[in-house]
Amino acid sequence: AAGVIQSPRHLIKEKRETATLKCYPIPRHDTVYWYQQGPGQDPQFLISFYEKMQSDKGSIPDRFSAQQFSDYHSELNMSSLELGDSALYFCASSSDQNTGELFFGEGSRLTVL
Amino acid sequence: SQQGEEDPQALSIQEGENATMNCSYKTSINNLQWYRQNSGRGLVHLILIRSNEREKHSGRLRVTLDTSKKSSSLLITASRAADTASYFCATSQETSGSRLTFGEGTQLTVNP
Repeated sequence: AAGVIQSPRHLIKEKRETATLKCYPIPRHDTVYWYQQGPGQDPQFLISFYEKMQSDKGSIPDRFSAQQFSDYHSELNMSSLELGDSALYFCASSSDQNTGELFFGEGSRLTVL
Repeated sequence: SQQGEEDPQALSIQEGENATMNCSYKTSINNLQWYRQNSGRGLVHLILIRSNEREKHSGRLRVTLDTSKKSSSLLITASRAADTASYFCATSQETSGSRLTFGEGTQLTVNP
């Protein structure tokens, strides 16, 4: 079965650089979520999109932005990177038809040097 | 964690033993879910229990929910070395739509 696809899997950037992460949700899933997980931490909700519109916003820094495109893939853009942005970034998708569970991708590991 | 705590933070047991992990939360919920995460990998959904349910089973997993105490427990019976992972509870809150808020996780190690 198709899963959530994230790219790149690993990314190394310097401070003050910009990074873009991509997420391809499970086909026919209408909601995409972005989470950030620091080392040894629980996943923290950043932002979500429902039918290509922002539906909810969490602890996402102003330096970050995200959008969902017409083909339902989503991108998380991170600018002016800081050392503290080093983390695993997960995308998840869900469907109104589901019971409420989220399906997570394997994550993108961002390292800021 | 913004939502609650899990205990224990780390648990080490022998294969064949049972593992119990607890989760507490702070707000009214629609449902509570448990996820598993192998080191550096994505989270995998294990089981969901709705706010009007008290107990649910799935294979070797048993989940309980006590909404009066705002707590849940996950029991893994007859553990296997392959169960070694981090386990997170996550809540869907009445005031937060479909997003999930995760607890701090329990690192389970099952020794062969």
